[in-house]
Amino acid sequence: DSGVTQTPKHLITATGQRVTLRCSPRSGDLSVYWYQQSLDQGLQFLIQYYNGEERAKGNILERFSAQQFPDLHSELNLSSLELGDSALYFCASSADTSGQETQYFGPGTRLLVL
Amino acid sequence: EDQVTQSPEALRLQEGESSSLNCSYTVSGLRGLFWYRQDPGKGPEFLFTLYSAGEEKEKERLKATLTKKESFLHITAPKPEDSATYLCAVRGGGSEKLVFGKGTKLTVNP
Repeated sequence: DSGVTQTPKHLITATGQRVTLRCSPRSGDLSVYWYQQSLDQGLQFLIQYYNGEERAKGNILERFSAQQFPDLHSELNLSSLELGDSALYFCASSADTSGQETQYFGPGTRLLVL
Repeated sequence: EDQVTQSPEALRLQEGESSSLNCSYTVSGLRGLFWYRQDPGKGPEFLFTLYSAGEEKEKERLKATLTKKESFLHITAPKPEDSATYLCAVRGGGSEKLVFGKGTKLTVNP
């Protein structure tokens, strides 16, 4: 158990809909990262937050957004969903961004868009 | 752009048959090479971090090594419970994100 929690574990929805994925980092970790894992692309970095502020952006679509709250949990919002958004979404956390911190991953949310 | 290539894509071993997985990388200013293990439908589980060429780390039957261009994950006398996908990732200069390879799926038969 990494100490990172994610809810829900599974999500089934329809095209055009909007969903929210939630992540609670390990106790004391200030950084939260979101990754998408699909069969053909592997793990792809989406976005990073540090202590409530956006720190880095990766291959995140404009239909997707995220935020980190004062209690350090984070939410990833996916809107206008398409079939191709079906994937595993992982959250990871690390203690800070001072350079060499390990990222610990949560169990993921499996999203299926029908 | 940082890149990671893992080989082979899949590896099937008999229990006790040692082997190595390869991770080749291109990165500007390496600030860490990471190995993770991932079981189907689960999150990646952290194994090792290597920071500089020549560094080695061991954990049970696994040993990770690092050169300037690649890393190896050596598996000695594997057991069926070592079956998983092994992921390699790098963190380059100026970025906190990890860039992952597509992984090597290891199957160890009893």
